[in-house]
Amino acid sequence: KQEVTQIPAALSVPEGENLVLNCSFTDSAIYNLQWFRQDPGKGLTSLLLIQSSQREQTSGRLNASLDKSSGRSTLYIAASQPGDSATYLCAVNWGGKLIFGQGTELSVKP
Amino acid sequence: DTEVTQTPKHLVMGMTNKKSLKCEQHMGHRAMYWYKQKAKKPPELMFVYSYEKLSINESVPSRFSPECPNSSLLNLHLHALQPEDSALYLCASSQDVDSYNEQFFGPGTRLTVL
Repeated sequence: KQEVTQIPAALSVPEGENLVLNCSFTDSAIYNLQWFRQDPGKGLTSLLLIQSSQREQTSGRLNASLDKSSGRSTLYIAASQPGDSATYLCAVNWGGKLIFGQGTELSVKP
Repeated sequence: DTEVTQTPKHLVMGMTNKKSLKCEQHMGHRAMYWYKQKAKKPPELMFVYSYEKLSINESVPSRFSPECPNSSLLNLHLHALQPEDSALYLCASSQDVDSYNEQFFGPGTRLTVL
């Protein structure tokens, strides 16, 4: 069964810290992986897309890595800010279907 | 324009009502999706349309009826819903259903069934 797991479920850090969110998946035959941000009651904002042939993608303070063989991806957030507080979702694309992890709820304290 | 729009933002309906959710994109995307997201849960795929034809139905109850009148619009018709159908309904689009394409999401419609 194709499943996505995110650890930790919740994370609280002081402003300025660098942090890592983890995503693991059960079937390495993925097509791509997307990281999303979701604010309470809102839709999803796509942060980064990593194709199966890629190892990492960067956008500003965000860096996502992909190790397909071990079924893992990480989202690295540098110099966290209170505005980064949100739920971060990892979604794996298997055959055109996105399957989401449960998300990591991030709180960055001023 | 990289925006997916959804209307209404909020909807409250009774179990005997008929209502529709609407989704629109003007990015020239040929694949459109409906997802359902319950509180504190991740989104779950409901339907996929490819080139205006239904290509995936994830065993969704018939009280949910999707429609794709043209390449820019996607509707979800609701009838005889149950209170457990209350959720955030998200629409997404991508260039096509080719697995390499990024999906873009709308803001969602918050549905409450009384």
